[in-house]
Amino acid sequence: EVQLVQSGADVKKPGESLKISCKVSGYNFSDYWIAWVRHMPGKGLEWMGIVYPADSNTIYNPSFRGQVSISADKSISTAYLQWSGLKASDIGMYYCARHVGLATPSYFDYWGQGTLVTVSS
Amino acid sequence: DIVLTQSPGTLSLSPGERATLSCRASQTISYSYLAWYQQRPGQAPRLLIYGVSRRPTGIPDRFSGSGSGTDFTLTISRLEPEDFAVYYCQQYSSSRLTFGGGTKVEIK
Repeated sequence: EVQLVQSGADVKKPGESLKISCKVSGYNFSDYWIAWVRHMPGKGLEWMGIVYPADSNTIYNPSFRGQVSISADKSISTAYLQWSGLKASDIGMYYCARHVGLATPSYFDYWGQGTLVTVSS
Repeated sequence: DIVLTQSPGTLSLSPGERATLSCRASQTISYSYLAWYQQRPGQAPRLLIYGVSRRPTGIPDRFSGSGSGTDFTLTISRLEPEDFAVYYCQQYSSSRLTFGGGTKVEIK
């Protein structure tokens, strides 16, 4: 059974760093891109970027490039989304999702349960 | 960017009724690269349709997708209680994939 299990909710202050994770099981982690998707309160979904675990190749949505870092560690089948300096505007639910197929872009067939990020002074 | 505009914003229907959701793109979607997702409250999105009209294994056949070019439709033939949720379309025709703003299907 394919599963993407994300790390738990976190509360941070503005300017703090944060790294959230997405642990994958049920398939060969290196065979599929993993995406991160943001869902801000009251808004729609936004694609942030994708990482290919086999070689850590990464493609960012230009809107998020430089704001976050996406990575993967294939030795432990885990993808990451990282901020070096959180802002209040980073509040939201963040999902990882499995990207179908090697060609980019594509759609997403399995999703993590989401990680709620709260930024408050 | 390809902007996807979903309408209506909210659809108020009763169980058993038919739901028709629209997704309009600002540019032509190539190769039928359009998907639909369902998001129930407190849950992650769930893939319903890909390639405009293809259903993944396990998705009931009351969900169907259609359309081409810039106009796409998700139809739920007879609403079940578990179908009241938010629905998003997503295009993967351009390198910068985008989602629509969502349509909420609520109980009338």
